[in-house]
Amino acid sequence: QVQLIQSGGEMKKPGASVKVSCKASGYIFRNYGITWVRQAPGQGLEWVGWISTVNGIANYAQKFQGRVTMTTDPSTSTAYLELRGLTSDDTAVFYCARYDEAFDLWGQGTLITVSS
Amino acid sequence: EIVMTQSPLSLSVTPGEPASISCRSTQSLLHKNGNNYLDWYLQKPGQSPQLLIYLGSKRASGVPARFSGSGSGTDFTLKISRVEAEDLGVYYCMQALHTPRTFGQGTKLEIK
Repeated sequence: QVQLIQSGGEMKKPGASVKVSCKASGYIFRNYGITWVRQAPGQGLEWVGWISTVNGIANYAQKFQGRVTMTTDPSTSTAYLELRGLTSDDTAVFYCARYDEAFDLWGQGTLITVSS
Repeated sequence: EIVMTQSPLSLSVTPGEPASISCRSTQSLLHKNGNNYLDWYLQKPGQSPQLLIYLGSKRASGVPARFSGSGSGTDFTLKISRVEAEDLGVYYCMQALHTPRTFGQGTKLEIK
């Protein structure tokens, strides 16, 4: 079955870091890139960045530059999003999605709650 | 960055009636290869977004024919020829030509 399965939700304190995983199955991992999208509660979609599964080169939205790192592990067909320096504004669902011509396959989302 | 503006932000439609959503970008999404880099996504309640339309007018796999995308340059439209109950949710356009990718605010479709 072609799918992206994300890690479970987490609760973090302000200033902490979080690492979300996104495991691909049912297709050839290196044939598609992985993008990450954030959705704050009750809000719209916000692009965080993407990473090539071929060479590991990532491109981040400017607002996340310096505190986000995207990586992949081709051996397990898994992509990772690490976000550091969390604030309450980072409370959101983070989605990974496969991309080629568009974001055609999405994970189920991971809720990250930042609270003291 | 490119700003995407959708209208209306909400609409209520009777099943069987048509619906239309507009999306405008602050820069042209027409590439020199002739493609318009504009996608449409639907987020049903409690679900992840799903791809409906890419490259302005191409229906994604499994998307019903009642969904169609049109437009070029900076003005785009998503049309549903006959709305069904399962079409409720929030529709987003996204420009796919430049980074950062940017989404419209979303249009909430309710079923009467």
